[in-house]
Amino acid sequence: RKEVEQDPGPFNVPEGATVAFNCTYSNSASQSFFWYRQDCRKEPKLLMSVYSSGNEDGRFTAQLNRASQYISLLIRDSKLSDSATYLCVVIRGQNFVFGPGTRLSVLP
Amino acid sequence: DAGVIQSPRHEVTEMGQEVTLRCKPISGHNSLFWYRQTMMRGLELLIYFNNNVPIDDSGMPEDRFSAKMPNASFSTLKIQPSEPRDSAVYFCATQRGEQFFGPGTRLTVL
Repeated sequence: RKEVEQDPGPFNVPEGATVAFNCTYSNSASQSFFWYRQDCRKEPKLLMSVYSSGNEDGRFTAQLNRASQYISLLIRDSKLSDSATYLCVVIRGQNFVFGPGTRLSVLP
Repeated sequence: DAGVIQSPRHEVTEMGQEVTLRCKPISGHNSLFWYRQTMMRGLELLIYFNNNVPIDDSGMPEDRFSAKMPNASFSTLKIQPSEPRDSAVYFCATQRGEQFFGPGTRLTVL
C-alpha cells in the first residue's frame, strides 16, 4: 500500500460546480499536510496548508481527520482556471511525501 | 528572487550517454531535494541535502544515478549511462516551510 493515496480522476465538472477530493495516508506519525497544485507541464506549487481545525482560503477549504487519516480539499464555484492536478502532501520529519495527484478538468 | 533555477529545461539524448542536470537553489534555503516525475510512478523523491550534505539517498534508483552539492548555490544530478526508462521530468526543490520547485528538466532518452 502506498503511503499517500488519492483517486487519480479525472474529475470532469462544469463551471460553478463544487468538487471535493480526498487523500488518505498510512503513517500515523505524519505531522503536517499540504495541498499542492500542478498545472500541465509545470512544477507543483503550494495551494494551501491543512490545519487540524480546518482552514479556508476563498473558494478552497481544506480539512484534516487524524483519526481516519485522511485530508480533503473542497473547491466551490469552480472556475476554468482551477483545471489542474491536485497533489496531497504528507510531511514526516523532513520528508515531503507526495500523493499521485487527482486531475480536475473544469468544463465550460 | 528568481526562484529555483534548473538547466537544461529539455534534454534529449541517446541511450548510454551521460546526462547532467543542474540546479541553483533559492539563496538561504538550506535543504535541497531532487525528484523524478513520471505518469506511471508520480513524483518520487530521489535524494535530499541539508546544508550541502546528502541526508537520504534511498530513492536513488541505482548506481547509475549520482548527486552532488558542492556548495550552497549549486547541485547536480548525473545519470551515467542513461537508459530509456530514465525518461521523466526531474525537479529540484528547496524548502523553507513549504517546498519551492524549479521548472524541471524534461529528459528523453532514446
